[in-house]
This record gives sequence, structure tokens and C-alpha cells, in this order.
Amino acid sequence: LAKTTQPISMDSYEGQEVNITCSHNNIATNDYITWYQQFPSQGPRFIIQGYKTKVTNEVASLFIPADRKSSTLSLPRVSLSDTAVYYCLVAPVAGSARQLTFGSGTQLTVLP
Amino acid sequence: EAGVVQSPRYKIIEKKQPVAFWCNPISGHNTLYWYRQNLGQGPELLIRYENEEAVDDSQLPKDRFSAERLKGVDSTLKIQPAELGDSAVYLCASSLNVAGSYNEQFFGPGTRLTVL
Repeated sequence: LAKTTQPISMDSYEGQEVNITCSHNNIATNDYITWYQQFPSQGPRFIIQGYKTKVTNEVASLFIPADRKSSTLSLPRVSLSDTAVYYCLVAPVAGSARQLTFGSGTQLTVLP
Repeated sequence: EAGVVQSPRYKIIEKKQPVAFWCNPISGHNTLYWYRQNLGQGPELLIRYENEEAVDDSQLPKDRFSAERLKGVDSTLKIQPAELGDSAVYLCASSLNVAGSYNEQFFGPGTRLTVL
């Protein structure tokens, strides 16, 4: 079971790029890295998923170094509406879902 | 397209009482998950269904919790009897998984349970 470590909280200003790093030293070969966003009183929402190198979609980028022991979620030009908790999830895409356990997440606060 | 629907959104009960939560997943999604989220923590998986079969319930407290997914669509999670420590948000999620691999999960808004 890959344990993840994220900063508890981060502050940023509107228009800045935000990078949230997740450490997962015991990541397994068949593990993928997935990031979710959660607003108060809502369920988590999928942001991005990757295995290695870099993945980009319309809302974020995910950087994964060669050793895969960490990953960085990059949010370009954040706005106030990006204030939320961000979870890093490391688990195999296939197999037992028992490893689908989220960590405590990172509370991102975007300031005006 | 409708998202994952959960009801009720809020529930307040006294300890030792039973309670049930209902979930309607996104149409066509074969996999359904129940999570429990305590305040300030991430979601914890309780049970996962592939169609109508529970394929992972290792973290479901079976002495008081039960779940079912009739006909592989809607699901119900029940607690009987409820304890003070069961106060949490219960989240339902669904995904379309193929050949044993699971992908993006879509979450419902959750049911906030308060046990007095």
C-alpha cells in the first residue's frame, strides 16, 4: 500500500502557478498516480492521472520524475475558484481497490 | 448527463438507531464504490462492487455495516445500530471499468451523517 505525503496547506494568489508535490517513496511498478479536487460539501472530482514523465490536460499538468517517488500537480494561473482540497492517490489501475485510500490532502487557498 | 445521485443529503439520528443511504450511479457505470470521509481526512474505501458483486469489502465493518447492489445498478449502504463514531460523510462513486481495471471515479455529493 503506497503511502502518500502531501503538504497540509498552501496559499497562493490569483494568476499564479501552483505546484503541489506528493511523495510516495514505496510506489509499486503497477501503481498509477491520480489527483482529485474536492470542494466543501461535494465529492472529490478527478483532475488528472499519470504513470511517468508528464501528462497535461485542459486544467492541469502532472510531472512525474523517472524514479516515480514523487509527483507534482501543476495548476496554471489559479483563480479564487481553485480553492479546494487536493488529494494525491497512488494505486494500481487494476486489481484490488483496497488500495484506493486517499491521504489527508492539501488545502489550497487562493487569495485575491 | 446526470451525475451520481445520493440521498438523503443529511441525516441526524440517535445512537443505536439504524440508518440507510441510497446511491444511483451514472448510467452504464459497472463499478460502484462506497467511501466514508471523516472530518479533515480523505475518503476511505468501504466497499466496491463490480456489477452486483462485492469484490472488495475488506474495510467494511461487517458487524454493523451492510451493503447491497441489486441488479447491478442502485446501491444501499446500511448501518445498524449506529454508533457515535459513525458520524461522517458517506460518499458513493461510480466508474466504467473494463477487464478489471478501474479508471476515473465520479463521486456523488455524499450523505452527511450525524449520530447523537
